Amino acid sequence: QQQVKQSPQSLIVQKGGISIINCAYENTAFDYFPWYQQFPGKGPALLIAIRPDVSEKKEGRFTISFNKSAKQFSLHIMDSQPGDSATYFCAASPKAAGNKLTFGGGTRVLVKP
Amino acid sequence: DTEVTQTPKHLVMGMTNKKSLKCEQHMGHRAMYWYKQKAKKPPELMFVYSYEKLSINESVPSRFSPECPNSSLLNLHLHALQPEDSALYLCASSPVQSRMRSNNEQFFGPGTRLTVL
Repeated sequence: QQQVKQSPQSLIVQKGGISIINCAYENTAFDYFPWYQQFPGKGPALLIAIRPDVSEKKEGRFTISFNKSAKQFSLHIMDSQPGDSATYFCAASPKAAGNKLTFGGGTRVLVKP
Repeated sequence: DTEVTQTPKHLVMGMTNKKSLKCEQHMGHRAMYWYKQKAKKPPELMFVYSYEKLSINESVPSRFSPECPNSSLLNLHLHALQPEDSALYLCASSPVQSRMRSNNEQFFGPGTRLTVL
């Protein structure tokens, strides 16, 4: 019940295109959903995060869409750039466990020029 | 200062060695974390310190021994490791780790790439 399932495992998109990554969860106690971006040899960096009382959050070219009834959330990267090529992890945290994050399996995104 | 620093960047050790990984943050965060990350996998939580006290140990083998000397420093002492322990070890911090809130951002360091021979 603690799992977060992420898809696809990898994604190739042309420069200027839209990258879409999806995550699904089972634990209804999750109440915080961050997305992390990780470049090779670096630590994950927080990209954007959302809570279940909001259906969408946008920061620059990055948008999280959240569907509480379906227990799904997704990351959209608009106008994808080669510099966006990285591995993206969704995560979730239940209030009862404080700040303990459960990560999705990751999506490797390659943006072709 | 908004970063988490980790030393060393790379570490190669034999199975009989004793070594330590270090992590430091000066953001005033009171929760600090150790994660282990294998290639092409997500980070796996190992330990959480909250207000310098160990609050979560994810059933990590005793050959990994965490220490939090003060609110800015976190160490991971390594002894008698196995080759399968080779991984990227990540430190993270957040403002507070609480059972009442779950919206605290975790800031990750760059990691220590550990190779056990």
